[in-house]
Amino acid sequence: ETVMTQSPATLSVSPGERATLSCRASQSVSNNLAWYQQTPGQAPRLLIYGASTRAAGIPARFSGSGSGTEFTLTISSLQSEDFAVYYCQQYNDWPPLTFGGGTKVEIK
Amino acid sequence: QLQLQESGPGLVKPSETLSLTCTVSGGSVGSSSRFWGWIRQPPGKGLEWIGNMYYSGNTYYNPSLTSRLTISVDTSKNQFSLKLNSLTAADTAVYYCASSSSSWYLNWFDPWGQGILVTVSS
Repeated sequence: ETVMTQSPATLSVSPGERATLSCRASQSVSNNLAWYQQTPGQAPRLLIYGASTRAAGIPARFSGSGSGTEFTLTISSLQSEDFAVYYCQQYNDWPPLTFGGGTKVEIK
Repeated sequence: QLQLQESGPGLVKPSETLSLTCTVSGGSVGSSSRFWGWIRQPPGKGLEWIGNMYYSGNTYYNPSLTSRLTISVDTSKNQFSLKLNSLTAADTAVYYCASSSSSWYLNWFDPWGQGILVTVSS
C-alpha cells in the first residue's frame, strides 16, 4: 500500500499571502496524484489531477507540482474561501486508493 | 452534468449491516467510461477509500474492508449500492459516493455526492 503523508497538519496564513502544502508518497506514484479541497460540512472538491492539471472551474491561483514521491500544492494569494482542509490522493498503485491525512489552512 | 446522491439510514446498530444507495443523474451507471466508488470520513478525520465498481460487475475493494464489503450496481434504477456488515463504532462516518474514470491511471474522484452521516450505536 502506498502511504501518503501531508505536511504540515495545520498552516496558518494571512489573507493575500501564499500557502505551500506538501504531500509525500511512500513510493513513487509518477504524476498520478490529485488534490482536493474540503470546507466544513461539504464534500471534497477536486482541484488538481495529474499532479499539475487544474480541474474545470478551479482558479489559476491554485497550482500543483511534483512527481515521483514529492508533491506541492500552492495557493498564490489566499482568499477567504480558500481556508479549508486539503487532501492529496494517489491513484498510481491501487487498490487501495489512498489519501493523505490532510492539511488544514487556517486564518492567521 | 453528472450528479450523485447518497441515501440510507442515519443510525445502525452494532453487528448489523449498513446498506447505502447512490443515485446517479446526468449519466449512466452502465457507462463503460466510469468507475463508481465509495469513500468514507470518520468525524473529524481524513478520507478512506472503500471501493470501486465497474458497470460490468468488476469490483475493487480496500483490503481492510474486503471481508465485510459488497458493492453492486443496478442499471435499471441507475444506482449503485454499498453493503457493509458486522458494524462497529469504528464504522461511524460520513459516507460519500463518487465517480472516477474507468481508465486505471485516471482514478481521481469527480464528482462526489454530498455525503450521508452514518452512526453505529445501540
